[in-house]
Amino acid sequence: QVQLVQSGAEVKEPGASVRVSCKSSGYTFTSYFIHWVRQAPGQGLEWLGRVDPSDANTHYSQKFQGRVTVTRDTSTSTVYMELSSLRSEDTAIYYCTREVPARTAFDSWGRGTLITVSS
Amino acid sequence: EIVLTQSPGTLSLSPGERATLSCRASQSVSNNYFTWYQQKPGQAPRLLIYDVSTRATGIPERFSGSGSGTDFTLTISRLEPEDFAVYYCQQYGSSSFTFGQGTKLQIK
Repeated sequence: QVQLVQSGAEVKEPGASVRVSCKSSGYTFTSYFIHWVRQAPGQGLEWLGRVDPSDANTHYSQKFQGRVTVTRDTSTSTVYMELSSLRSEDTAIYYCTREVPARTAFDSWGRGTLITVSS
Repeated sequence: EIVLTQSPGTLSLSPGERATLSCRASQSVSNNYFTWYQQKPGQAPRLLIYDVSTRATGIPERFSGSGSGTDFTLTISRLEPEDFAVYYCQQYGSSSFTFGQGTKLQIK
C-alpha cells in the first residue's frame, strides 16, 4: 500500500532552518508529484510547493519563494522540504502529500511533522 | 491568487440528515480543478472528491460534489456518525493551490 513516512517533530529557534523528510513506498516514486502542505495550530491548510521526482523540477508558492526548497533522492524514494529564516508564524504541522496525476488533488498524505519555532 | 470562502463556518446536524457545504471562489476555477477533503482531529486530510464531482477511491456514494465557475457544493445525503469532521475545499489555478478555511460539521 502507498505510504508516506515523515521525519519526527522538531523545535527550532527563530532565524534557523529546518529540513523535513518524506519517504515514499508502495508505488513508483517517479510517477507522482509530491507536495508540501502545512497547517498552523487550529488553522486551515496552506500549500508550500512541490517537486516532480522524475526530473527534480520544482514549483513554489509565491508566499514562500526564496525561503522553501524541495528536493528529492531517487535512490531512497525520499523527498525533502527545507524552510529557512524560521519565525514563530511557521509553527505548524507540515504534511507531504502525493498528487493524483494531472488531477491537482492529493490522494495520499504523510502523518505530518510538527515544527515548533520558539526561542 | 484565488481565494476560497467556505460557508457556513460551522454546521450542526443530526445523523441521518442531509448536509450541504458551500465554497465560493474569488475567480472562476479553470479546468474543473476543484477538490474536497475531510479532516478529523489528529489526522491528515482525506481526499473525498476531485474534478468537482469524481469520488475518490473508497468514498461512499452518500458524498457528492457539484458546481462550476465560482460556486461549488459538497453534499452528504444521509449523515453517518463518522462524517462529523472538518471539510476543506481546494482549487488549482494560476500555478497555485489554495484551500478554503474549512467548515466544521458537528453533531446537533
